Amino acid sequence: SQTIHQWPATLVQPVGSPLSLECTVEGTSNPNLYWYRQAAGRGLQLLFYSVGIGQISSEVPQNLSASRPQDRQFILSSKKLLLSDSGFYLCATGDEPNTEAFFGQGTRLTVV
Amino acid sequence: RKEVEQDPGPFNVPEGATVAFNCTYSNSASQSFFWYRQDCRKEPKLLMSVYSSGNEDGRFTAQLNRASQYISLLIRDSKLSDSATYLCVVNNQGGKLIFGQGTELSVKP
Repeated sequence: SQTIHQWPATLVQPVGSPLSLECTVEGTSNPNLYWYRQAAGRGLQLLFYSVGIGQISSEVPQNLSASRPQDRQFILSSKKLLLSDSGFYLCATGDEPNTEAFFGQGTRLTVV
Repeated sequence: RKEVEQDPGPFNVPEGATVAFNCTYSNSASQSFFWYRQDCRKEPKLLMSVYSSGNEDGRFTAQLNRASQYISLLIRDSKLSDSATYLCVVNNQGGKLIFGQGTELSVKP
């Protein structure tokens, strides 16, 4: 079965600082990978998704970027954080295009 | 129009009640459908997939109406432990998983 590792669980960063969140997946190969953000009391917003190494689709214009340097590694980055980047960031993976996704435990980011 | 829309919450129901959640989606080419459950400050977890013929898992029944682009979740005999946010999820072409904003359920004793 698939295992998703996402860290850290909690992060407090000052405005203007860089960000790097990493997600790694075990137990599968060539998965679809997703980054979602959930603001307090809101739904999940799809930020990026990837169907293969180096293939990234961005869903909304924003202050963030994503990279997939290896098959089972997905990285979310920012050069300079904004207050509005605060939220619950979730990495997810799915085996096939039409199957469900499984989530990591998420990173709760607070930008101060 | 949002790609996936759900009933606004919260739903406050007594134990033992039956509660139904509705969801509509805008992309007629959507391939697959799911209901997820999210507990407070936790990651979403798959509750059940939704099949065209409808499917049942214990107290939970999911139905899909492709013609109306509508998905539902019925919970019978609600338990306190059912309190959570329920998310409708649609898998579009190309592997994009789109979530509704979620409906909060609170089951009271």
